[in-house]
This record gives sequence, structure tokens and C-alpha cells, in this order.
Amino acid sequence: GAGVSQTPSNKVTEKGKYVELRCDPISGHTALYWYRQSLGQGPEFLIYFQGTGAADDSGLPNDRFFAVRPEGSVSTLKIQRTERGDSAMYLCASSLGRDSFTDTQYFGPGTRLTVL
Amino acid sequence: TQLLEQSPQFLSIQEGENLTVYCNSSSVFSSLQWYRQEPGEGPVLLVTVVTGGEVKKLKRLTFQFGDARKDSSLHITAAQPGDTGLYLCAGALTGYSTLTFGKGTMLLVSP
Repeated sequence: GAGVSQTPSNKVTEKGKYVELRCDPISGHTALYWYRQSLGQGPEFLIYFQGTGAADDSGLPNDRFFAVRPEGSVSTLKIQRTERGDSAMYLCASSLGRDSFTDTQYFGPGTRLTVL
Repeated sequence: TQLLEQSPQFLSIQEGENLTVYCNSSSVFSSLQWYRQEPGEGPVLLVTVVTGGEVKKLKRLTFQFGDARKDSSLHITAAQPGDTGLYLCAGALTGYSTLTFGKGTMLLVSP
């Protein structure tokens, strides 16, 4: 079956612009996660959805970052007034549920964001 | 402060050699996972360990969770070029908490 897909694969924008990054999870997965991975670092948790609601957004760095999942499937990560420090790989993952013992997180290929 | 410290940061070896990479913390984790990430792709889960002292084997890969559930190791026997990649450990403090990742060990296996 299809895995997690993310679009676009690459996004180049200018400082101050608004960007949207899309994630299509595996069909039937209720849990969806967004991570940010900077060069030379491991993924850093941003936000977790269970269904349509954001169950944990403690990883969002500031109020320029926002994410939605209106129908409990596709999610969009939105970044306002982008800064050069936002440049990173943005990864999305989905899983059947939230139990870290049993629920494997399947990652998408990521969106490489570059802010000039 | 990094919750999970991985070492070494980079490892370059010849095909056929054995290697061990480490993941250490001062915190106790309910579970710990190992992932491999190739360039341009997302991480792929290799194993989850949940019991202190647990050892899991996956073909040439052996994973161990420390008795105190604060550390883990990954041992690869007879490394192959296809093992090249970034090896990440990630821990969950509770069964339902978010994953915290280490910075990873970049492994390069040359033919």
C-alpha cells in the first residue's frame, strides 16, 4: 500500500513569506506527527494529532508555526513570516495509534525547506 | 542539553568489519527505538526495545537495552555497503509520550 507522502519535496522561499507543507498519511492511521530535522541533528518533535485535534503542540517553536488536520487525514503545516532559521527538513509520520510500545511511526520522505 | 547522546557521531569502516554504536542518557525510558535514515528519505524503524536487559537480533544487527533502561547499543556484524546510513535512537519517557531523538551516528561502509 501507499506510504506517507509529503509535498512539495523541496520548497525555496524568501524571508518573510508564508509557506504550507502538506502530509498525506497512511490510510486508516489516526495519529499524525510533524517533526523538524536540521542538518546534523535528529528529528525534533513539533506537533501530534489524534484524529482532527492537535493532542500535543508543545514542540511548535513559536506562534508563526501552525498545523491543521481538518478531516482527520491530510495535514498541513503552515509557517508564517518565514525566517532563515526555519530552513530544515520537515518530516511527517503517521501511526495506527499513540502507544510507543506497539505503534510504529511511518515517516514520509520529508519536505526540504530553504528560506533565503 | 541533549536527552539522548549518540556516539560516535561518524563512523567510516570497510566492508566485513564489525561495529557498535551507542545511545546514552541520564533518563529512564519506557521504550527505546532504533531507526535508519538514508539521504533524502525519512527514518525507518528497525527495532523497539522495552525491557531492561533486552536483546533483539535482526539478521546481522543486534540491539541491546541497558538493565536500567537508560542506554542502548546497536552492533552490526560483517557490515555491508547497504548498511550505510544515519542510525538514530529515539526514546519515549512513557508509553504515550512523544519520541525524543538523538543526533544520530552516520555510518559509511566502503566496499
